[in-house]
Amino acid sequence: EVQLVESGGGLVQPGGSLRLSCAASGFTFSTYNMNWVRQAPGKGLEWVSFVSSSSTSVYYADSVRGRFTISRDNAKNSLYLQMNSLRAEDTAAYYCVREKFGSSGYHDFWGQGTLVTVSS
Amino acid sequence: DIQMTQSPSTLSASVGDRVTITCRASQSIKSWLAWYQQKPGKAPKPLIYQASNLESGVPSRFSGSGSGTEFTLTISSLQPDDFATYYCQQYNTYWTFGQGTKVEIK
Repeated sequence: EVQLVESGGGLVQPGGSLRLSCAASGFTFSTYNMNWVRQAPGKGLEWVSFVSSSSTSVYYADSVRGRFTISRDNAKNSLYLQMNSLRAEDTAAYYCVREKFGSSGYHDFWGQGTLVTVSS
Repeated sequence: DIQMTQSPSTLSASVGDRVTITCRASQSIKSWLAWYQQKPGKAPKPLIYQASNLESGVPSRFSGSGSGTEFTLTISSLQPDDFATYYCQQYNTYWTFGQGTKVEIK
């Protein structure tokens, strides 16, 4: 069974940092591209970041570029999102999302999300 | 950036109704479009990919069509479990979501 389990969310002050983790199981993690997608409370979905299977390509939304860093450890079947210089507008549920193999970008499996709250 | 616009934002319907949601892209995305269903407090659930391909396990009352800039999601006979918010997403150039369509009980 495919599983993506996020962790690391919580309450952080503006300007602070947080590191999200996503533990993957039930599939060959090292062969899949991965993403982070977020959703502010009561709002729509926003793609945040992408990393290719071997980490050779990474992309970021304009809203987080320069502040967030995506990474992965294929030996540990884990995906990460390092978030620095956090702002109130970064408050959201963050989802770890798998890209369907060979699909050119379709997101076929989502974790349950971890909530990040940026507030003083 | 590619913008995605869904209509309507809210849709009131009854069980058994045929429901259609439209999604427009600001430029051609060929057929690189997906649809997701989301219920409160839950992660989005993939329904359709590449504009018209049904994800495994999704009921056949859901269908998708379109290419280029105009796409539709149709639910042929609305069921109680279908009341939710639906999002389109383009994956032609990076990823962008529509603003969502809430399907509520009439």
